[in-house]
Amino acid sequence: DAGITQSPRYKITETGRQVTLMCHQTWSHSYMFWYRQDLGHGLRLIYYSAAADITDKGEVPDGYVVSRSKTENFPLTLESATRSQTSVYFCASSARDRPTYEQYFGPGTRLTVT
Amino acid sequence: AQTVTQSQPEMSVQEAETVTLSCTYDTSENNYYLFWYKQPPSRQMILVIRQEAYKQQNATENRFSVNFQKAAKSFSLKISDSQLGDTAMYFCAFMKLNAGNNRKLIWGLGTSLAVNP
Repeated sequence: DAGITQSPRYKITETGRQVTLMCHQTWSHSYMFWYRQDLGHGLRLIYYSAAADITDKGEVPDGYVVSRSKTENFPLTLESATRSQTSVYFCASSARDRPTYEQYFGPGTRLTVT
Repeated sequence: AQTVTQSQPEMSVQEAETVTLSCTYDTSENNYYLFWYKQPPSRQMILVIRQEAYKQQNATENRFSVNFQKAAKSFSLKISDSQLGDTAMYFCAFMKLNAGNNRKLIWGLGTSLAVNP
């Protein structure tokens, strides 16, 4: 089905391990975003990308790395996971040529760092 | 810097009644978009309604409407004929529009709405 997908949906990892969260969209949207959602903080932007090979930091980028070699994929890597990175992670995308500026969200990945 | 404030962390409403969720924002920009997103227990974020700042007419989508007061920097969401499926967290979000727009959203902390039978 067309849309935006995230994998895995649930992940448990240990402190210090590297983990990669995947995001894939089938709409060829130019913009893609990674958010984390924590109780009391709402949604906070980690990284975003305006196009393939163009990425920029958001509000809380420390400890995360992104890449975007293809328009449809935007993986998020935690280089050395910490317990403070336990969160729900959302990927979103937005079309450049639509004047509505809507962001479409994936289903989220719940990450637990033990 | 822009900020978005949702002053009601939790609200409840009886089924079939009307409820209004508040949102205020702070910006010096003149050209921007405002959004309400819904996040039900499934966790999926869903766009409810959007408003362009240059439009004076309030946006409406079926049972959902907004009261956009640009001078007061207020953007409230009214849900009419509330249904059990409206139970969700509701987020207000702001996006400024400018050259090189990066589509970044500024989010409020959300209002948890419970619709009671």
